[in-house]
Formats: sequence, structure tokens, C-alpha cells
Amino acid sequence: DGGITQSPKYLFRKEGQNVTLSCEQNLNHDAMYWYRQDPGQGLRLIYYSQIVNDFQKGDIAEGYSVSREKKESFPLTVTSAQKNPTAFYLCASSRQGAPNTGELFFGEGSRLTVL
Amino acid sequence: AQSVTQLGSHVSVSEGALVLLRCNYSSSVPPYLFWYVQYPNQGLQLLLKYTSAATLVKGINGFEAEFKKSETSFHLTKPSAHMSDAAEYFCAVIYSSNTGKLIFGQGTTLQVKP
Repeated sequence: DGGITQSPKYLFRKEGQNVTLSCEQNLNHDAMYWYRQDPGQGLRLIYYSQIVNDFQKGDIAEGYSVSREKKESFPLTVTSAQKNPTAFYLCASSRQGAPNTGELFFGEGSRLTVL
Repeated sequence: AQSVTQLGSHVSVSEGALVLLRCNYSSSVPPYLFWYVQYPNQGLQLLLKYTSAATLVKGINGFEAEFKKSETSFHLTKPSAHMSDAAEYFCAVIYSSNTGKLIFGQGTTLQVKP
């Protein structure tokens, strides 16, 4: 079945460590997104990519990095510079252009906890 | 700033009762409006989408939403709540179709009591 796979589902990190969250999709979508979810704050956009080898910062990119070397993959690295990394991270993808604009397909998320 | 506001972080209804979840957007008319649903520890799933073709939009699982320009609202309703509707619901808007960036509301948790 087509979909988005995020791994790991749960991740624990010590302060000062970088961690990388994996996101793979087999939907042949051009655009991919990373969101951070905190209780009571909805979803906030970290980075997005509309095409391979190109990506843009979202609203809360500081302390995060991404790459888009393949259409199917959009990994997110949470660096030690991120001051409050404990959160639920969601990856999503979509086709480009209307009428598909805004129709995101989400993975099941990765929950990161900093010890 | 462009934004979307969901009134009420928690809504509780009895099984079989009307569900009403409120969403208001900022004054500029957005080209697209959405409702997404999230079940515990899962990603989001699209419920329905408004694209100006019709003001009343029907979605999955019996949900619908009405776009009211005069009230800058896009409230989500369902005539009769089911236990399986218990989840978190997010309203979202796109103001720039060029980037396709969604702006999400804060979310409303729906509790359904037996």
C-alpha cells in the first residue's frame, strides 16, 4: 500500500546529541513537509520541500536541518541547538498544484523525548 | 498576520448529539480551507476541503462544514456523534497557493460520552 513511513516511532535523546528522524513516501509526491506538534499549539511548520535538492525554512526552522536527495526521502535532523526538542514530529507529503493544494498525507509521527 | 482560530480546545458531547466545532480565519479570504482529524498517536487525515465551488462541503464519516464569508467562519458539524468520532480536530487554511503552506489552528479535542 502507498503511504508515508516515519521511523522511529519513539526516540529518546540525551541533551547535546543530534538525532535524525526518517521519512519515506511511495506516493510519488513532489512536496514533503515536517511539522512539530506540541499540546495546545497545533502544528507548526519546520521545513518543506517542493522538489528534489531544494527545501525552504518554515516558521520554526532554528535548530533543525533537512535534506532532499531523493524524491521519496526527507529526513529531519534535530540538532543540539534546538532548545526544546521534546515533541511529536509529523512528516507529510502532497502533490503539487491545484486542486491538490493543501491535501496532505501524513505519517504516523515520531515522538522525541529529551532526557 | 494570517491566522486561523479554533474556539474551544475541548468539546464534549453525548453519543447521538450534534457535533459543532468552531473555526474562524483572518479577514482576507483564503483560497482553501480544510478540516483534518487526528486519532491518538497517529498522523492527521483529511476530513474535507473548501475550494469555493460550494459553500457547504461534505466530508468523510458524515462530517460537513459551511463556509460563511460574512462571519469569516468554517465550522465543522455532524448531526449525530458516534463514539469513534472521539479525536482531535484541526482547522487549516492556505493563503498562498504558490507555496501550498498550510496554517493550522490550535486543535479541538472532541470527547464523546456514552
